[in-house]
Amino acid sequence: AQTVTQSQPEMSVQEAETVTLSCTYDTSESDYYLFWYKQPPSRQMILVIRQEAYKQQNATENRFSVNFQKAAKSFSLKISDSQLGDAAMYFCAYRSDGGSNYKLTFGKGTLLTVNP
Amino acid sequence: KAGVTQTPRYLIKTRGQQVTLSCSPISGHRSVSWYQQTPGQGLQFLFEYFSETQRNKGNFPGRFSGRQFSNSRSEMNVSTLELGDSALYLCASSYALGLNTEAFFGQGTRLTVV
Repeated sequence: AQTVTQSQPEMSVQEAETVTLSCTYDTSESDYYLFWYKQPPSRQMILVIRQEAYKQQNATENRFSVNFQKAAKSFSLKISDSQLGDAAMYFCAYRSDGGSNYKLTFGKGTLLTVNP
Repeated sequence: KAGVTQTPRYLIKTRGQQVTLSCSPISGHRSVSWYQQTPGQGLQFLFEYFSETQRNKGNFPGRFSGRQFSNSRSEMNVSTLELGDSALYLCASSYALGLNTEAFFGQGTRLTVV
């Protein structure tokens, strides 16, 4: 079974600084996608960034970028120039099409605090 | 374009009762998935529906059931509620099934069982 592990329950960063959130996963599938979701206090999960396993180039979305290490099964999220609005719970998620089941498997989350 | 709408936002029920939660997906989306979020277990997959058919089900007891209507709206039902069913229930809609298909989440229904 696929598992996703986020080893940092909480992280904090100063406004305008850079922070990296860690995620590792376990799978025997060859094709899959990895995602980072943000859940602010409003509770609505918002997609931050996604990465296809077959693409070696790391995905970037404005201030958000990932470091995808397929062999190490590692998928970290870097937030540059942190803003107060980045404060939220961040979830790493995995999806494959094993058995045509497209469910998302989530890690337990990292609570990010941004200090002014 | 309206987002995913879940109703009600908050619900308090008594042990033994049953509850029905509703999810209206984004217009044009045919896939709806449900997740349970608790502090202890995190986010766990409940069901996945596509074009009124349940495609997949998570590892939950038979008390948890769901359905999808022809307009893609979905409901989930929990019968004989237990204290452990207290959770945030999230619904996600997608245009189609697929690895890269973005899932758009609603704000959830917070269920408290007393």
